[in-house]
This record gives sequence, C-alpha cells and structure tokens, in this order.
Amino acid sequence: AQKVTQAQTEISVVEKEDVTLDCVYETRDTTYYLFWYKQPPSGELVFLIRRNSFDEQNEISGRYSWNFQKSTSSFNFTITASQVVDSAVYFCALSEEGNDMRFGAGTRLTVKP
Amino acid sequence: DAMVIQNPRYQVTQFGKPVTLSCSQTLNHNVMYWYQQKSSQAPKLLFHYYDKDFNNEADTPDNFQSRRPNTSFCFLDIRSPGLGDAAMYLCATSRVSAGRNQPQHFGDGTRLSIL
Repeated sequence: AQKVTQAQTEISVVEKEDVTLDCVYETRDTTYYLFWYKQPPSGELVFLIRRNSFDEQNEISGRYSWNFQKSTSSFNFTITASQVVDSAVYFCALSEEGNDMRFGAGTRLTVKP
Repeated sequence: DAMVIQNPRYQVTQFGKPVTLSCSQTLNHNVMYWYQQKSSQAPKLLFHYYDKDFNNEADTPDNFQSRRPNTSFCFLDIRSPGLGDAAMYLCATSRVSAGRNQPQHFGDGTRLSIL
C-alpha cells in the first residue's frame, strides 16, 4: 500500500527565511513517482515537480529545491528566501506504477512580512 | 493558455436537491479525475475516466455519479446532496502514456455549499 506522511501540519516563517517541508513515503514498489503540489488560498492545485524512483538527483528551480533520498524514503522541499506569496498549503503525493496518486495531509505554510 | 476549467466556482444547493458540477479541458488529456477536498484535508479521489472507461474508488458513495460525454468534458452529479457533501470539488486531467503517473493538472475547483 502506498502512503505519504507530512508530519508538519503548519509552519510559520518570516519573509526571507528558508523553510523545509518534509515528506516521507511508504511503498513496496521499486517503480514509483513523487510529486509536490501547491494550493494557494484561491484553491487550485498547482503542480510543482515530479520525480521518479530511479532519479535521485536533487533539483533546483529558482528558490525551490527538492531533496530525494531513497535511503530514508523522503522527498523534502525547501524554499529559499521565502516570500509572502509562498503562503499556501503544500501537498506531497505518491503514485505507484499504474496506480492513482495519493496525497499527504498537506503542510500549511504561512510567510509573514 | 490550455487549461482545466471548472464551472461554477461556487455552487449552492439545497439538501437533497440534485446538483451537477462541470469540468472542461483544452489539454486533450485522456484521463479526467474528480476529487473531493474537505476543509484542511487532502484531496480524496472519487473516480476517474481513462478515455471512456469509468473507474470508481471503492469508498465513493453511490450518491456520486459521473459522465464524460466526450474528451473535453466531464461532469460530477450528486443525486441527493447531504450536509456532509459540502466541500471543494477538484477536477484534474493527465495524459497517460506509460502508466498513470504523469502530473495531473487541476482546475480551480468548485466550492459546494449545502443549505
């Protein structure tokens, strides 16, 4: 069975601080996919990144970076120099080969000016 | 921009009165999904269409039905809404090539209120 745990329910930081959102997953498959989505107050889910299980290379996109570690079954997301516009709920999700996507419970990030 | 469009953004209905939510896409994706998201919870998959093939999640109530008349449109019908059905309903699409693991693209959602 596939499972995603986002232990941090809420995080609050001050603008320009770095923040890391944790994601731990469980799967018995060797082929799987991990995702991060952002849900701002307006409600839509915005796709941020997909990573497959065979690609452990970390990724950086502007102020966003992702650290995928199979040894600890984690796929953590770091925002550098956070901004107020980063305030949102962030969901980590897992999809095993041929199966639908399952979301973690989400982490609500508040960035204060 | 190609996108997933949900109408209306907000829907109010009466207890027990059937309601239909709509979703359209210009992405030409072959899979369309409906999720229910209650306050402070993760989205929960209700069902999805792989082309014309309907796939229902085991725990989706019978009260919820869906139709996909063509590639572009998908509807969520709630036959007799109860107070517990008040939620945000999210439509998503993806293109399936190798497995069902392509990123899903979401609409803005329809927030359903039940009076």
